[in-house]
Amino acid sequence: GENVEQHPSTLSVQEGDSAVIKCTYSDSASNYFPWYKQELGKRPQLIIDIRSNVGEKKDQRIAVTLNKTAKHFSLHITETQPEDSAVYFCAASPSGGYNKLIFGAGTRLAVHP
Amino acid sequence: NAGVTQTPKFQVLKTGQSMTLQCAQDMNHEYMSWYRQDPGMGLRLIHYSVGAGITDQGEVPNGYNVSRSTTEDFPLRLLSAAPSQTSVYFCASSYLDPNTGELFFGEGSRLTVL
Repeated sequence: GENVEQHPSTLSVQEGDSAVIKCTYSDSASNYFPWYKQELGKRPQLIIDIRSNVGEKKDQRIAVTLNKTAKHFSLHITETQPEDSAVYFCAASPSGGYNKLIFGAGTRLAVHP
Repeated sequence: NAGVTQTPKFQVLKTGQSMTLQCAQDMNHEYMSWYRQDPGMGLRLIHYSVGAGITDQGEVPNGYNVSRSTTEDFPLRLLSAAPSQTSVYFCASSYLDPNTGELFFGEGSRLTVL
């Protein structure tokens, strides 16, 4: 089945710096790649997603890139702010099913003022 | 709209006890699922359902049962709890339409098995 690996497990940056989180997946049939943000004690919430027919997608300070050949996708956060501090999860939807998400292990991002 | 509602929020069990985690959604979502979240292991899919009467196993189904008798409800049953099932459990739901595939999560249920 699908396997999603996520790196790094922890990331510490200064406010205003950029942060990059990388994920790889194993199932070449996967075609939907969302990113979820989970603040401390809260539920995960979708922040951005990308489908396999798109190479890059941006939404204000966040962007996601996808390389289907390498089975690799990344989350980029620019001009980080303290409120970006959270755990970020990447996910892939195997075999064409948009909803059956397999998640990476998560990245704990700390943004220091 | 309440969204996805899970009960209870906290539960302590003894080894061997049984219990049911309740999940209800009021968004008329066809798809419902259960995940468990453990430190360093992300969110792992336990069971999922694509509609009433249809369920299937996820990545870590052992020790858990589910049923889907209505569109709204998707309970998760632990028949004989084990300490390895200590975790935070999230129910999540979405539409089946691939163009609206966002997964909405409940607030989570923290389970401790002694």
